[in-house]
Amino acid sequence: EPEVTQTPSHQVTQMGQEVILRCVPISNHLYFYWYRQILGQKVEFLVSFYNNEISEKSEIFDDQFSVERPDGSNFTLKIRSTKLEDSAMYFCASSALGTTSYEQYFGPGTRLTVT
Amino acid sequence: AQSVSQHNHHVILSEAASLELGCNYSYGGTVNLFWYVQYPGQHLQLLLKYFSGDPLVKGIKGFEAEFIKSKFSFNLRKPSVQWSDTAEYFCAVNANNAGNMLTFGGGTRLMVKP
Repeated sequence: EPEVTQTPSHQVTQMGQEVILRCVPISNHLYFYWYRQILGQKVEFLVSFYNNEISEKSEIFDDQFSVERPDGSNFTLKIRSTKLEDSAMYFCASSALGTTSYEQYFGPGTRLTVT
Repeated sequence: AQSVSQHNHHVILSEAASLELGCNYSYGGTVNLFWYVQYPGQHLQLLLKYFSGDPLVKGIKGFEAEFIKSKFSFNLRKPSVQWSDTAEYFCAVNANNAGNMLTFGGGTRLMVKP
């Protein structure tokens, strides 16, 4: 069964550094998403991406965040200057079309630790 | 803004016991509803979903959920749990006027004792 994959599984970085989290969505899917879960808190939506542009973003997704689909398979989340409060598990997801008709498939997550 | 509440944070059951996990949401319009499960060390997997039609939906592994619109609820049930059901369970909602984003509840950790 096709799966969403994410790399790395764990990233440790120093405050102020840039990080790029990578995701390979399911190959025939058209919508891509990033969510995050701070330890002990809810899974929170960050951004959705369709047709090579952001379709929605939450208040969390401020100017320090960006997303990109650099080629036909990868979907990346960049955090420009990490802060301690960015430490969280980051989940990538993809869906064939919009959520109104199709479920989102989640990757295993990248645990980001900012020191 | 929509929100989702799961009132049971931790549930401990013995094998063969019946399970009901609560999920309530706050949004008055049309919603799509989901239950996801996360087994230890694994990613979120969809258990079941409701978009429209019969409010009683059946999912994988013997799980079912009932959408009660008047109560803004979508509770998850299983008549007889197994040790392998030990996992964290997340309710999620997509409001039809909120694009594609899912709003998650806080999750319920289920431990099934053998």
